[in-house]
Amino acid sequence: AQKVTQAQTEISVVEKEDVTLDCVYETRDTTYYLFWYKQPPSGELVFLIRRNSFDEQNEISGRYSWNFQKSTSSFNFTITASQVVDSAVYFCALSEPRGSGNTPLVFGKGTRLSVIA
Amino acid sequence: SQTIHQWPATLVQPVGSPLSLECTVEGTSNPNLYWYRQAAGRGLQLLFYSVGIGQISSEVPQNLSASRPQDRQFILSSKKLLLSDSGFYLCAWRRGSGSGYNSPLHFGNGTRLTVT
Repeated sequence: AQKVTQAQTEISVVEKEDVTLDCVYETRDTTYYLFWYKQPPSGELVFLIRRNSFDEQNEISGRYSWNFQKSTSSFNFTITASQVVDSAVYFCALSEPRGSGNTPLVFGKGTRLSVIA
Repeated sequence: SQTIHQWPATLVQPVGSPLSLECTVEGTSNPNLYWYRQAAGRGLQLLFYSVGIGQISSEVPQNLSASRPQDRQFILSSKKLLLSDSGFYLCAWRRGSGSGYNSPLHFGNGTRLTVT
């Protein structure tokens, strides 16, 4: 069965600090996709990144970077030089194929990040 | 471009009253549609998903139901609300194809439901 664990419930950092959000997943499939979403205080979920199981290259997008390691089943998310606008709940999610080829995302419980000015 | 609309944004309903939340998607055809609930501002629980008109899969047994009367319309309903139905309800769509599992979900702005 698929499962996503975000062990950090809440994290507080001071502005300009770097912060890493952990994500560990479980799946029996060799083919799967991982996602990160951001939920700001307004409530909507914003898609940040998608990574497939065959691509272990780290990705960087501005102050955001992602470290995917199949050996440890982890897909961690780092924010460099954090800003107050980064304050949000961040969700990691997993998707793997079912027989129909379509499957819902399974989400972790989220990590609430507070960046203090 | 694709857009998703969800309404109402907030709703306060008494226990035992009916519920109808609507979600529509524009700019795409045959999307996969989803209803998630987020209780206490935390984890996302999948309630229903649909891969086509009239096709509904339920993930969690409860007093809620879903319907998809049109290709890009997804409705969440209840005949009698319970206090435990309070939460933040999110509709989402995803590209509908054989490899849909590799595409991200795109969410609406959500409906905050308070059952009193």
